[in-house]
Amino acid sequence: SYELTQPPSVSVSPGQTARITCSGDALPKQYAYWYQQKPGQAPVLVIYKDSERPSGIPERFSGSSSGTTVTLTISGVQAEDEADYYCQSADSSGTYEVFGGGTKLTVL
Amino acid sequence: QITLKESGPTLVKPTQTLTLTCTFSGFSLSTSGVGVGWIRQPPGKALEWLALIYWNDDKRYSPSLKSRLTITKDTSKNQVVLTMTNMDPVDTATYYCAHRGSAGTTGGFDPWGQGTLVTVSS
Repeated sequence: SYELTQPPSVSVSPGQTARITCSGDALPKQYAYWYQQKPGQAPVLVIYKDSERPSGIPERFSGSSSGTTVTLTISGVQAEDEADYYCQSADSSGTYEVFGGGTKLTVL
Repeated sequence: QITLKESGPTLVKPTQTLTLTCTFSGFSLSTSGVGVGWIRQPPGKALEWLALIYWNDDKRYSPSLKSRLTITKDTSKNQVVLTMTNMDPVDTATYYCAHRGSAGTTGGFDPWGQGTLVTVSS
């Protein structure tokens, strides 16, 4: 079955830039979405359609796509950005959805 | 404002069938392009997509769980129901439902319900 691959963890110091990647063979054909999940809370959509930001999401969150990899970039990371981040997309035919394994962002 | 809330048993026994209800407000599941999905998360583990139902009754299931899942909608009650048969302790997880926006909106799962923890144990 189709899989999305994320690094298990990323660490950055406050004010630095964090980049979280997500790889999958169908990403050139299907949009990717990114979710932020803080402990004990439901996930929140932070990027949709590869690079669009929902209203209410800070401008420091951005997304990009290149071939089979999509990237979530958090510029000027703040302590409050410490969370788990998940990418989500669909298989090449758009039949079913899949989530990546998640990346724990640690703000040092 | 869109809100969703999951309801159902907190404890089920192995081999039993789980029935979860997602009750929502702020949108209609008869609106073109709109869907409601179910996603689960075992304690300390990653999100896993389970199923999705669209406004036109198009239903999608996780390939690995398809034989055990059924998703239905009651548009008049603003509810979506997920059933999962033959429950096992490995199915212990927080189960979320989420609004799936149409292609003209975000198209993502947004927002999510608060989730409900289901424990499978004898």
